[in-house]
Amino acid sequence: AQSVTQLGSHVSVSEGALVLLRCNYSSSVPPYLFWYVQYPNQGLQLLLKYTTGATLVKGINGFEAEFKKSETSFHLTKPSAHMSDAAEYFCAVSDYGNTGFQKLVFGTGTRLLVSP
Amino acid sequence: NAGVTQTPKFQVLKTGQSMTLQCAQDMNHNSMYWYRQDPGMGLRLIYYSASEGTTDKGEVPNGYNVSRLNKREFSLRLESAAPSQTSVYFCASSPGRFESEQFFGPGTRLTVL
Repeated sequence: AQSVTQLGSHVSVSEGALVLLRCNYSSSVPPYLFWYVQYPNQGLQLLLKYTTGATLVKGINGFEAEFKKSETSFHLTKPSAHMSDAAEYFCAVSDYGNTGFQKLVFGTGTRLLVSP
Repeated sequence: NAGVTQTPKFQVLKTGQSMTLQCAQDMNHNSMYWYRQDPGMGLRLIYYSASEGTTDKGEVPNGYNVSRLNKREFSLRLESAAPSQTSVYFCASSPGRFESEQFFGPGTRLTVL
């Protein structure tokens, strides 16, 4: 079964600094990988996803992530943090399961704090 | 196009009471899901429905039942609520393909006293 590990339950950065949120996955098959963002008291919103092709994936709000098969990683980055980026971020991997039906397996989330 | 809608937004129950959380999607998606979110635990799958007429257990199904009423609607029922079911509940839908993302509703915050 697939699994996801997000290192760091909280990450703090200053406005304008680089954002790096880490995600490592375990998958026995080529993975489909996702990053979601959750703003306070809201549902999850897709930031970006990797399916096949280019390993550097660009998403909304200036975020991007790079799929590195050799490191089983899919870290999320943004060159310059904004106050509005403060939220919780979830990494997820598609789990095919025994039935072949797609489910998502989520990491435990990383809360990004942005200070002025 | 409302996406995924959930009702109610907030609910307080006493131990032993029952309730049904409603979810509807207008994106003609085949698959629908119910998750619960607890601090430090991410999202855990309760039940899912691969297509209309089918449902199956996820990671944490105990204490819950579901109904896929039609292609649009997928409800979650707590027959006898317990304090351990205090959580935020999210419904999601997806085309169901392996590369597909899931689309989430705004959530229901449930407190069981």
